[in-house]
Amino acid sequence: GQQLNQSPQSMFIQEGEDVSMNCTSSSIFNTWLWYKQDPGEGPVLLIALYKAGELTSNGRLTAQFGITRKDSFLNISASIPSDVGIYFCSQGGSEKLVFGKGTKLTVNP
Amino acid sequence: NAGVTQTPKFQVLKTGQSMTLQCAQDMNHEYMSWYRQDPGMGLRLIHYSVGAGITDQGEVPNGYNVSRSTTEDFPLRLLSAAPSQTSVYFCASSLNRGNQPQHFGDGTRLSIL
Repeated sequence: GQQLNQSPQSMFIQEGEDVSMNCTSSSIFNTWLWYKQDPGEGPVLLIALYKAGELTSNGRLTAQFGITRKDSFLNISASIPSDVGIYFCSQGGSEKLVFGKGTKLTVNP
Repeated sequence: NAGVTQTPKFQVLKTGQSMTLQCAQDMNHEYMSWYRQDPGMGLRLIHYSVGAGITDQGEVPNGYNVSRSTTEDFPLRLLSAAPSQTSVYFCASSLNRGNQPQHFGDGTRLSIL
């Protein structure tokens, strides 16, 4: 089945630093979705990407849908303590949705 | 709107017991799904439904049953709980199949002793 390779697995950064994480797949996707999970809660959608090459921002977050349609990245600028959590990528466009294993972000104040 | 509501939030079972995890959404979403989350494994799809009366297996369906008699409800049943089913379970829904963002519940933390 489809697999999403998400990296890095974890990140430890200082407040104010920029963060970059990415997701790659062996299959072509029509949709890339990025979610954030706060401790003890369910994932919440951050950004949805529907077109190859699309670059979308949501506040300090920026995500891009790769031209090959097999990858996507998420950047966080000027990190703050509330950015702590697990970030997941997910594909869309099929019934059997697949998620990456997540990037766990720790921000030191 | 309440969104996606999961009950219970926590549960401890003994091996061999049965249980139903409840999931309800009030957004009139067609697509509903169940995931389990284990450390280092991300979210893995157990079962999903594209509409009332229609269900199908995901990546890890063994040991779980589902039904979708109404648009709103999508319960997950463990017929004979095993320690390997200790996990955090999330229910999610979206407007239609696959292409739309998922709305997640807050999860059910299940321990099987």
